[in-house]
Amino acid sequence: NAGVMQNPRHLVRRRGQEARLRCSPMKGHSHVYWYRQLPEEGLKFMVYLQKENIIDESGMPKERFSAEFPKEGPSILRIQQVVRGDSAAYFCASSPRGPPNEKLFFGSGTQLSVL
Amino acid sequence: QQPVQSPQAVILREGEDAVINCSSSKALYSVHWYRQKHGEAPVFLMILLKGGEQKGHEKISASFNEKKQQSSLYLTASQLSYSGTYFCGTEELTGGGNKLTFGTGTQLKVEL
Repeated sequence: NAGVMQNPRHLVRRRGQEARLRCSPMKGHSHVYWYRQLPEEGLKFMVYLQKENIIDESGMPKERFSAEFPKEGPSILRIQQVVRGDSAAYFCASSPRGPPNEKLFFGSGTQLSVL
Repeated sequence: QQPVQSPQAVILREGEDAVINCSSSKALYSVHWYRQKHGEAPVFLMILLKGGEQKGHEKISASFNEKKQQSSLYLTASQLSYSGTYFCGTEELTGGGNKLTFGTGTQLKVEL
């Protein structure tokens, strides 16, 4: 049973470009979470999605960031018009059921670098 | 609201013990503990659901004081493989939404 798959592993973008980060949850998991991690800092919650629905986006910046988890295919975190401050590691996690009290399985992350 | 972890960093010699604390100002459903090695994904260690509950994972155990909204992670007879950053994650009973909120982490380094 493959784990949570994220791609690309590393993504380099110039300021103003778009970044698309993909996350395929573990088989049988319909709940996906996105976290952002800056160097030497903790994991900051961004958004929680269940198939085709955004459940909690309280951690998402109001502009330029969006997320989706379609019925078919991976979850996508999209950052439009990237700025240097968007440089970070973005982790996706999945669980078979929703909160509370469900452990999360994390992917290896996407390291976004904005030049 | 982000839980507070202490200490921020600790260095141990192999075989020594350590305690990592996690404190929240909110009433909690549960406390989770994860370990992250440099450049890797966070890995689940354990979840504590009840007040006063203790759990173990190899030589790593944890307690959860529901009334004080505090949890402690105990690492005994540390091994080199224990090195990494430890995060606690909390689920709030009310007002926290549907998310696991992580602390800022405790960097643990075990040396020979």
